[in-house]
Amino acid sequence: GDSVTQMEGPVTLSEEAFLTINCTYTATGYPSLFWYVQYPGEGLQLLLKATKADDKGSNKGFEATYRKETTSFHLEKGSVQVSDSAVYFCALSVPIQGAQKLVFGQGTRLTINP
Amino acid sequence: ETGVTQSPTHLIKTRGQQVTLRCSSQSGHNTVSWYQQALGQGPQFIFQYYREEENGRGNFPPRFSGLQFPNYSSELNVNALELDDSALYLCASSLEGASTDTQYFGPGTRLTVL
Repeated sequence: GDSVTQMEGPVTLSEEAFLTINCTYTATGYPSLFWYVQYPGEGLQLLLKATKADDKGSNKGFEATYRKETTSFHLEKGSVQVSDSAVYFCALSVPIQGAQKLVFGQGTRLTINP
Repeated sequence: ETGVTQSPTHLIKTRGQQVTLRCSSQSGHNTVSWYQQALGQGPQFIFQYYREEENGRGNFPPRFSGLQFPNYSSELNVNALELDDSALYLCASSLEGASTDTQYFGPGTRLTVL
């Protein structure tokens, strides 16, 4: 079935370090791919998305490229800040009956130390 | 701010009771999805409503039911509450429910079942 596998956390980095959070997926067809971020006590916020192969999504210094050949959508940021501390979820959109559902990975908790 | 609101913020119920959670979609969005997020996990799809009709359901029993109203606000009802129903319940609205559509999440309702 459709699934998302994320890099296990927690991940702890120092401010200004380079960030990579790995995400691979299994799906039939060509799903849209998303990264969502969840800050403590809050809902999910869309961080970026890509809807077809080789698309690059970007937002707030974060980037991810839709790689069909490796079925991956790794999240990267060149220089992280303390405010980036949160839980990050990779997700894909798949059809179910007449709907579209998001299938999420288990989440990666990121902590940035000053 | 996604424009999606949920109420109440927190709720405590006892086993066997019934609960109703509410969601107001982002303006112009006619599709709403509900997700259950257990502690430390990614959200799981419950169902989706499009123009007041359920058009897709995940692996949740019939005691989870919903409604969507003409103004596109919606409700999630859960009957015969069980301890395992304790979770964060998230609603998400999208424009038309297409695979490329972004789902915008509300802040969630945290349900505790004692």
